[in-house]
Amino acid sequence: EPEVTQTPSHQVTQMGQEVILRCVPISNHLYFYWYRQILGQKVEFLVSFYNNEISEKSEIFDDQFSVERPDGSNFTLKIRSTKLEDSAMYFCASRGTSGGSTDTQYFGPGTRLTVL
Amino acid sequence: GNSVTQMEGPVTLSEEAFLTINCTYTATGYPSLFWYVQYPGEGLQLLLKATKADDKGSNKGFEATYRKETTSFHLEKGSVQVSDSAVYFCAADPMDSNYQLIWGAGTKLIIKP
Repeated sequence: EPEVTQTPSHQVTQMGQEVILRCVPISNHLYFYWYRQILGQKVEFLVSFYNNEISEKSEIFDDQFSVERPDGSNFTLKIRSTKLEDSAMYFCASRGTSGGSTDTQYFGPGTRLTVL
Repeated sequence: GNSVTQMEGPVTLSEEAFLTINCTYTATGYPSLFWYVQYPGEGLQLLLKATKADDKGSNKGFEATYRKETTSFHLEKGSVQVSDSAVYFCAADPMDSNYQLIWGAGTKLIIKP
């Protein structure tokens, strides 16, 4: 069964450093998402991406964040200058071709980002 | 605005007990509703979903019915097992957003043998 994959599973970085989190969505999906979950808290929407552009973003997704689909298969989240409060689990998700609300978002296993 | 409210945890039950985790939503229109499960140290897995009123989603012995009149999607299981210990998230996909999911806070379920 196709699945969303994410790398790395755990990233440790120093405050102020740039990190890139990588995701490979399910191959025929067209809608892509990043969410984050601070330890013990609820899942929060960051950004959605469709047709090679951001379609919606939350207040969390400020100028320090960017997303890219560089090669038609990967979907990346970049944090330019990490802060301590960026420490969280980051989940990538993708959904089916029709984009209708009946489509399910499929999640990757997550990348745990630890900012020291 | 759109929101999802879940009962607070942790919920601690003995094996073979009956489980209910309450979930209510506030949204314009009729969102699709989902339950996701997160086992310790793992990612988010879709457990079940319902896309319209009176639909019942079911999987692995879990069930939830989309109740439009009470805007609820309570998760139930007749006889829980230790392996069901996890965090359960209720989520809604409102028709007026770009299909981003609106999440409940999650309910931690602990099953004791």
